Amino acid sequence: QKEVEQDPGPLSVPEGAIVSLNCTYSNSAFQYFMWYRQYSRKGPELLMYTYSSGNKEDGRFTAQVDKSSKYISLFIRDSQPSDSATYLCAMSAGTSGTYKYIFGTGTRLKVLA
Amino acid sequence: DSGVTQTPKHLITATGQRVTLRCSPRSGDLSVYWYQQSLDQGLQFLIQYYNGEERAKGNILERFSAQQFPDLHSELNLSSLELGDSALYFCASSVAEGGGGGALWNTQYFGPGTRLTVL
Repeated sequence: QKEVEQDPGPLSVPEGAIVSLNCTYSNSAFQYFMWYRQYSRKGPELLMYTYSSGNKEDGRFTAQVDKSSKYISLFIRDSQPSDSATYLCAMSAGTSGTYKYIFGTGTRLKVLA
Repeated sequence: DSGVTQTPKHLITATGQRVTLRCSPRSGDLSVYWYQQSLDQGLQFLIQYYNGEERAKGNILERFSAQQFPDLHSELNLSSLELGDSALYFCASSVAEGGGGGALWNTQYFGPGTRLTVL
């Protein structure tokens, strides 16, 4: 079993829809949770990071962490065609020498105009 | 623009050859990470350096090696290249070496990647 599981998609939605992207994880040691966006043939860019359980909002994006369920989500409101990309979750744990930074395999999102 | 630079952008070479990929981290970042991303694969962590020293190793083949120089730029050397080595190679950098310091210190920022094609 992978430490981080992410539905690969693709996920197609109409413009203006609310998008929900999810990751589950198995290692309860993970402390920090990140979402990256990767456009085709580009490097991943950091969208959001969170530490504790709960919600964090940034514009149209909301990151949600449920540590008890080992489940994280990224919500995109009023989705735009420019949001079409692959979204990768990432999480980290540990201290120097035991540090882990694990990425999900990514979910491909297509927002249709 | 993340502030991480990678050269070259594209590289086409033949099987059996050796290539060197270069990465310059963001100003102030001491850690450099190398990743491989194939068409059907997610990001595969290869290796991490912190302030010139190797810190962590992932799924890096013995034919691959890396180093980080005193000016903190890093090079990834790929030798005896095979068709299956064709991929996007990303470099990322962070302030800290991993563990402690909070999310911002350890968050990784990615370069634009080098696309390697082995024919």
